[in-house]
Amino acid sequence: EAQVTQNPRYLITVTGKKLTVTCSQNMNHEYMSWYRQDPGLGLRQIYYSMNVEVTDKGDVPEGYKVSRKEKRNFPLILESPSPNQTSLYFCASSFERQGFEQYFGPGTRLTVT
Amino acid sequence: AQSVAQPEDQVNVAEGNPLTVKCTYSVSGNPYLFWYVQYPNRGLQFLLKYITGDNLVKGSYGFEAEFNKSQTSFHLKKPSALVSDSALYFCAVRPVTGGGADGLTFGKGTHLIIQP
Repeated sequence: EAQVTQNPRYLITVTGKKLTVTCSQNMNHEYMSWYRQDPGLGLRQIYYSMNVEVTDKGDVPEGYKVSRKEKRNFPLILESPSPNQTSLYFCASSFERQGFEQYFGPGTRLTVT
Repeated sequence: AQSVAQPEDQVNVAEGNPLTVKCTYSVSGNPYLFWYVQYPNRGLQFLLKYITGDNLVKGSYGFEAEFNKSQTSFHLKKPSALVSDSALYFCAVRPVTGGGADGLTFGKGTHLIIQP
């Protein structure tokens, strides 16, 4: 089954404790992206990747890191989480950047206390 | 920079009636336009897109949308609403060329509530 998977689905952590949210797709997509969803703000892009070893900042990259060492995986790293990073996070992938719809993972609900 | 406006936070429709969820956009040049739906505790699912060609686009679950370049709109429509259509709907735009950062911008979302 074609899908985007994220782990964990739910995470409660404390300020400053490094964490990684994994994202994997099995569709051989070149383009991958991370978003955060907050009430009243819709989806905002954090980082995106056009292909292996090619990543770039989205609209709200501060406090986040990503890597793309393999085509299928695109982990999101929070080196020192803060409460304002409490949010619902989505990973997405598509065949290419332009003109193609994105496939979204199920989401990771992160709470930083 | 491009932008998307979904002017209604919530739309209420009786089951069986037609529904419209509004979306207007601002972009430099021609747009790619998308509609996504989000059910509770789920990720977003693609509904339909406009790339080029026919202004009326048909998508999943009986939804359609009409691209209107002069009004910069891409409203989502369905002739007869079902209770199962109740969800959060997002419009998104990306310019065909250019665009800041990654260029894909989402609206804030519209809650669609279908009443039995």
